[in-house]
Amino acid sequence: GIQVEQSPPDLILQEGANSTLRCNFSDSVNNLQWFHQNPWGQLINLFYIPSGTKQNGRLSATTVATERYSLLYISSSQTTDSGVYFCAVKGRPDRGSTLGRLYFGRGTQLTVWP
Amino acid sequence: SAVISQKPSRDICQRGTSLTIQCQVDSQVTMMFWYRQQPGQSLTLIATANQGSEATYESGFVIDKFPISRPNLTFSTLTVSNMSPEDSSIYLCSVVGPSSYEQYFGPGTRLTVT
Repeated sequence: GIQVEQSPPDLILQEGANSTLRCNFSDSVNNLQWFHQNPWGQLINLFYIPSGTKQNGRLSATTVATERYSLLYISSSQTTDSGVYFCAVKGRPDRGSTLGRLYFGRGTQLTVWP
Repeated sequence: SAVISQKPSRDICQRGTSLTIQCQVDSQVTMMFWYRQQPGQSLTLIATANQGSEATYESGFVIDKFPISRPNLTFSTLTVSNMSPEDSSIYLCSVVGPSSYEQYFGPGTRLTVT
């Protein structure tokens, strides 16, 4: 299956700071999503972004599929942004990936202090 | 988007017992997925459940331990059998939304085995 690496593993910020999270993947993908897992364990969809750039409020994401990476930008961070951010991809079944399966990175644990 | 509910939201069980987790979706979907998230870890796919056929299990997961039912296009159950403390995890149900691209997750079932 496809390998997904996220960096940094941990990030501690003061409220109001900006940050960039990175996701590298090992093969061509059909789908790339960013999720935020809140302290209660729920996965919140942030972006579906197999390529290009999207913005939603203080968050934006860019995927460069040809270079196999994606970036998640968080601006003016708030304490409610704390949690784990996961990048997940769907590989191509013709290259050994399970049909429909999302392959997750290990996540970035973000802590924002007031 | 797809709205997914799971029952129970959390449970504490004794080793050797079994627990059945229910997943209900607000729309008809072809594929439903069950994931496990062990404490402090990323998400791992247990199996894919299609209506009218046997579930397909990922390496390391077997039907005797994690039997799955998929009686219709909006509902599925996952049973965790003969539980041990190593089964303590969050179990999440997931589906692909109406657009057939973005994937959504239920709120999860937090299981603790004592």
